[in-house]
Amino acid sequence: SQTIHQWPATLVQPVGSPLSLECTVEGTSNPNLYWYRQAAGRGLQLLFYSVGIGQISSEVPQNLSASRPQDRQFILSSKKLLLSDSGFYLCAWSAQGADEQFFGPGTRLTVL
Amino acid sequence: AQSVSQHNHHVILSEAASLELGCNYSYGGTVNLFWYVQYPGQHLQLLLKYFSGDPLVKGIKGFEAEFIKSKFSFNLRKPSVQWSDTAEYFCAVNRHAGNMLTFGGGTRLMVKP
Repeated sequence: SQTIHQWPATLVQPVGSPLSLECTVEGTSNPNLYWYRQAAGRGLQLLFYSVGIGQISSEVPQNLSASRPQDRQFILSSKKLLLSDSGFYLCAWSAQGADEQFFGPGTRLTVL
Repeated sequence: AQSVSQHNHHVILSEAASLELGCNYSYGGTVNLFWYVQYPGQHLQLLLKYFSGDPLVKGIKGFEAEFIKSKFSFNLRKPSVQWSDTAEYFCAVNRHAGNMLTFGGGTRLMVKP
């Protein structure tokens, strides 16, 4: 069966520090991968999605970036964090051509 | 751009009460519709989905949702809630054959025992 992992589970970082959140999927190949952010009191906002290695689409302009160095690995990064980057970051995957997405456990990021 | 609205941000019910959570979307084309649920401390998981056919969709744990195309709505219902239904519920939409999900703002449901 397929599983999706995210780490770290929680992270507290100072403003201006770099960020790297990792997401890996097991049990499937060539998945579509997604990064979402869930800010307090707001819904899930799609940040990035990827349909293949090295292929990244950005939905919202910001100081975050994403990379997909391997088929089942999706990384969310920032060179300098802002206070507004605080939130709950969710990674998700879907099979190619399928509509249902499966979500990871999330990373809670607090920027101080 | 499409948008999804969930009008109730917080709902508090007693056990055995009936539940209806509203969801409206703005996209005019053919859509797929989803309800996701996030129980405390757990992953976001699919509750039910509508792609085509019978507009009344039944999901897990006694939940159902009705797609009303003329109203651009996909409301979630349950006749009798339980304490274990306490969770946050998200409505989501994607365009037919598309991969991009647009989520509503979520509704936090608290069921009092």
